[in-house]
Amino acid sequence: GAGVSQSPSNKVTEKGKDVELRCDPISGHTALYWYRQSLGQGLEFLIYFQGNSAPDKSGLPSDRFSAERTGGSVSTLTIQRTQQEDSAVYLCASSLFGPKNTGELFFGEGSRLTVL
Amino acid sequence: TQLLEQSPQFLSIQEGENLTVYCNSSSVFSSLQWYRQEPGEGPVLLVTVVTGGEVKKLKRLTFQFGDARKDSSLHITAAQTGDTGLYLCAGVRNTGFQKLVFGTGTRLLVSP
Repeated sequence: GAGVSQSPSNKVTEKGKDVELRCDPISGHTALYWYRQSLGQGLEFLIYFQGNSAPDKSGLPSDRFSAERTGGSVSTLTIQRTQQEDSAVYLCASSLFGPKNTGELFFGEGSRLTVL
Repeated sequence: TQLLEQSPQFLSIQEGENLTVYCNSSSVFSSLQWYRQEPGEGPVLLVTVVTGGEVKKLKRLTFQFGDARKDSSLHITAAQTGDTGLYLCAGVRNTGFQKLVFGTGTRLLVSP
């Protein structure tokens, strides 16, 4: 597709289970971001990938969160041993350039995670 | 630590009214972007401002970047119901950080 694709769109899981969220960025975009949004509020930065550089993981809230980007394209955000406070919308975005180049971020529709 | 504070957090107005949303920080940004997000969708870029004091207009929307590049404002003239949504500012710091820092958001509801 032409835009950023995220799956699943909705995920309901039980506390303690692991979940994987997938992001397929726009082809050719070298920068990929994961953000978390709670209750329609502002976006909380989680992790940033830029080309082959080491990712900026400074926003990951705990060691239960991890992300990888394979082949410079698809990214997976994994949350282990989910907690209720992990419930949120997880947004993925891609950009042709890094933020220093004022690149526009193109967002997916998000994956809504509910932890019971 | 939230670097970008937006005000107001929520605004409910009638169609035809004017409004201003503010985005403030104690940090200097090399550039600042404004996004609008509608329910069930991801944010969509409205504008990028780069130069201190810069003013950009997008139809009824006017964006301004503060002279010191620490703050920005969004002014909407004669609001329409289609302007309803969550408005987010996002700044790029000039300290080498590579991540875009988003503001706390302003939820706008325009009623007919």
